Formats: sequence, structure tokens, C-alpha cells
Amino acid sequence: EVQLVESGGGLVQPGGSLRLSCSASGFTFGVYWIHWVRQAPGEGLVWVSRVNVDGSVTQYVDSVRGRFTISRDNARNTVYLQMDDLRAEDTALYFCVRACGGNCRDAFDIWGQGTLVSVSS
Amino acid sequence: EIVLTQSPGTLSLSPGEVATLSCRASQSVRSNYLAWYQQKPGQAPRLLFYGASNRATGIPDRFSGSGSGTDFSLSISRLEPEDFAVYYCQHYSDLPFTFGGGTKVEIK
Repeated sequence: EVQLVESGGGLVQPGGSLRLSCSASGFTFGVYWIHWVRQAPGEGLVWVSRVNVDGSVTQYVDSVRGRFTISRDNARNTVYLQMDDLRAEDTALYFCVRACGGNCRDAFDIWGQGTLVSVSS
Repeated sequence: EIVLTQSPGTLSLSPGEVATLSCRASQSVRSNYLAWYQQKPGQAPRLLFYGASNRATGIPDRFSGSGSGTDFSLSISRLEPEDFAVYYCQHYSDLPFTFGGGTKVEIK
């Protein structure tokens, strides 16, 4: 079964750090770009970051650039999101998603179930 | 940044009726790189369409996507009970990728 499974979420104080992990299975991980998308409670979807197939290209939305770092380990079929200097507005469910590639490009065809990050004192 | 505006915010319909959802972009979406997703409570979104009108794997043909440039739409020809959900459009033409605010299709 093709799937993405996130982990690492939790409750953290403002200014703290968390590292999210996304473990992939059921497909050839190393040929797909992987993204993170977040959804604050009761709100819509926000694209956060992406990493290319070998980890050499990383991109971010302005609101997290300089605080979040995306990376991947293709030997472990895992993508990471290191989140530093967390703010209350980072509170959200974080989804790991696969960009389908080919003529589908950056549409997101596989989604994990998400991991919840709560930033509060 | 491309801003996507979805309308209406909520659509109240009965099973069997037709649903038409709109997604308008603040500037032209290059190559119609526009996707639609369905999200049910407590679940991750599911890809419905990419490239504005290309149905994703396993999506029933009562769903159709259309449009180009700045105006896109998603139609559901005969609403089934499982179609009541929130629908989002998303562009992937340039960074940052953005999503519309969503349209909730609820049972009337």
C-alpha cells in the first residue's frame, strides 16, 4: 500500500523546536518531490515547504523561511521538517504529501494523516 | 502570490442535485496548473483533479473539472451522500503554491 506516515508532533512552548518525520512506503520514494502542508484547527490548507528528489533543492513559504528546515534521507525513505523558533501561529495539523510528478507535476496525490503541532505556553 | 477565491463558501443541496463550485485566481494560472481536493471531517484531503480537468485515479465520472486562466470550476452532476464535504482548489504554477479557502457542500 502506498502511504505516508507522519510523526513527531506535540505540545511545545513558544520559541521551542520540534522535528517532524514522514515515513514513506509502497512506492519508489527517491523519485518523488515531497511537500509539507499544514491546516490550523478549523481552517484551510497552507503549503509550507518542499524538497526535491535528492534533497538538493528546498523551498519554503515566507512565514516559515529561516525557522523551518526540510530534508530527506532516501536510504530511510523519510522526510524531515525541523521546526525552530515556533510561534502560536504555527499550531496546525501538518500533512506530508507526495507531488505526483509527470504531467500531474505538483498536484498532491498521496497525503499522510497528519501530525498535530500545538504551540502554547 | 496567486490568491485563489472560492465561492460560494457553503453550498446547501440535496442528494441527486447538481453542485457547481467556483475558484477564481488573482492572476492567470500558468498552464492551468490547478488542482481540486475533497476533504471530509477527520480525514486528509483527496486529489480529485489536476491540470484543471484531468480526473485523478479512482474519481467517479460524476465529478468534472473545467476552466482556464483565472476561472475554474468543479461540478458534481448528481450528489451522492459521500460527496458532502469541503472542496479546495490549489494552484501549483509558481511558488508559493496556494489553496483557496474552501467550499463546504452540505446536506440541505
